[in-house]
Amino acid sequence: VQLVESGGDLVQPGGSLRLSCTASGFTVSDTYIRWFRQAPGKGLEWVSVIYSGGRTFYADSVRGRFTISRDNSKNTVYLQADNLRAEDTAVYYCARDRGNGGTVLDFWGQGTMVTVSS
Amino acid sequence: AIQLTQSPSSLFASVGDRVTITCRASQGIASGFAWYQQRPGKAPQLLIYDASTLDAGVASRFSGSGSGTYFTLTISGLQPEDSATYYCLQAETYPLFGGGTKVEIK
Repeated sequence: VQLVESGGDLVQPGGSLRLSCTASGFTVSDTYIRWFRQAPGKGLEWVSVIYSGGRTFYADSVRGRFTISRDNSKNTVYLQADNLRAEDTAVYYCARDRGNGGTVLDFWGQGTMVTVSS
Repeated sequence: AIQLTQSPSSLFASVGDRVTITCRASQGIASGFAWYQQRPGKAPQLLIYDASTLDAGVASRFSGSGSGTYFTLTISGLQPEDSATYYCLQAETYPLFGGGTKVEIK
């Protein structure tokens, strides 16, 4: 089982990025996939989730700006981040939620860095 | 949302020491509770879930206990590779981590 994130970059405030989380060893549509982020030197923050059935939820801090989606044919989950702000600067991780309850996150990607700065 | 307060925020301990980290919740937690280890520059790793169940492959020197609003993570016999930051996690409404405890080896 492996998760690999990509898509992080340096972007100006107001810009957009699409982060990818590609899975191997399991099928993303069979489970919940969550995105978390960690600002430099700070703790972990939940960002979004896509359920196996397709429902999506967001943290208040990103709702209306970020969109989570899934491409089953590519076994990949995406996080579209629009209207980025300086406070979105962080390492973004995706994780498999084995228990579907939000606490049993048994596999994580290596993280992808998003830097929002002019 | 339920807030989690970890203590201490950091500690120094020697190899072989018994180390205990506490996590207090602002309200009782009825569903899942977990502990994670994060080494510098790495993704978090699940150690314990359901407050006291050791995840597969995790060293047996790690143990967790607690319920309601008080939880603990204990490392019995600290090893050099245990130098990391430890986080508690609850998801009563959405996943929310505690502030972390940085464990350093003397």
